[in-house]
Amino acid sequence: EDQVTQSPEALRLQEGESSSLNCSYTVSGLRGLFWYRQDPGKGPEFLFTLYSAGEEKEKERLKATLTKKESFLHITAPKPEDSATYLCAVRSYSGGGADGLTFGKGTHLIIQP
Amino acid sequence: DVKVTQSSRYLVKRTGEKVFLECVQDMDHENMFWYRQDPGLGLRLIYFSYDVKMKEKGDIPEGYSVSREKKERFSLILESASTNQTSMYLCASTNRGPPYEQYFGPGTRLTVT
Repeated sequence: EDQVTQSPEALRLQEGESSSLNCSYTVSGLRGLFWYRQDPGKGPEFLFTLYSAGEEKEKERLKATLTKKESFLHITAPKPEDSATYLCAVRSYSGGGADGLTFGKGTHLIIQP
Repeated sequence: DVKVTQSSRYLVKRTGEKVFLECVQDMDHENMFWYRQDPGLGLRLIYFSYDVKMKEKGDIPEGYSVSREKKERFSLILESASTNQTSMYLCASTNRGPPYEQYFGPGTRLTVT
């Protein structure tokens, strides 16, 4: 059974204070690791897909990296509008419901002005 | 832009009622999914469909059924709503092939009293 663990559960940063969110995963065969952003009361918004160890993707202040056991979402000089819950998910050969994703519980990020 | 819409943002139903949640996507995606999201449990896959009239159980299908009569529309049905089905319901869609990222609707917050 696929497992995804995100840490920390919550993170409070000052504006401009860079940090990283962690996503550890256990899968039998990774077919993609996904990062989403979710604002309160809304559906998740797609950010990145990573397929293989060593891969990196960037978008504005966010950078996602992938190793064989975990992924990091690095946030550089964050702004208050980056406050959200960040979700990590994996798609594997044995994952729930074939093409379904297995999600972590998310990291709730708060950026204080 | 990919657009996934859900029929209601908020819904209040009574125990024992039959409930229909509708989802429509406009990107000609083959695969569609229903998840529920609960505090402390994250997103969990209920059912998915990879083609018209096809359906597969996800991780928590009990108490739910689905219908896909047209490619763009995927319905989640609660045959007899119960209070433990109070949750946020999220619909998603994706292509059958890569890239595999799923695009989510805004969610329906269902309360069963």
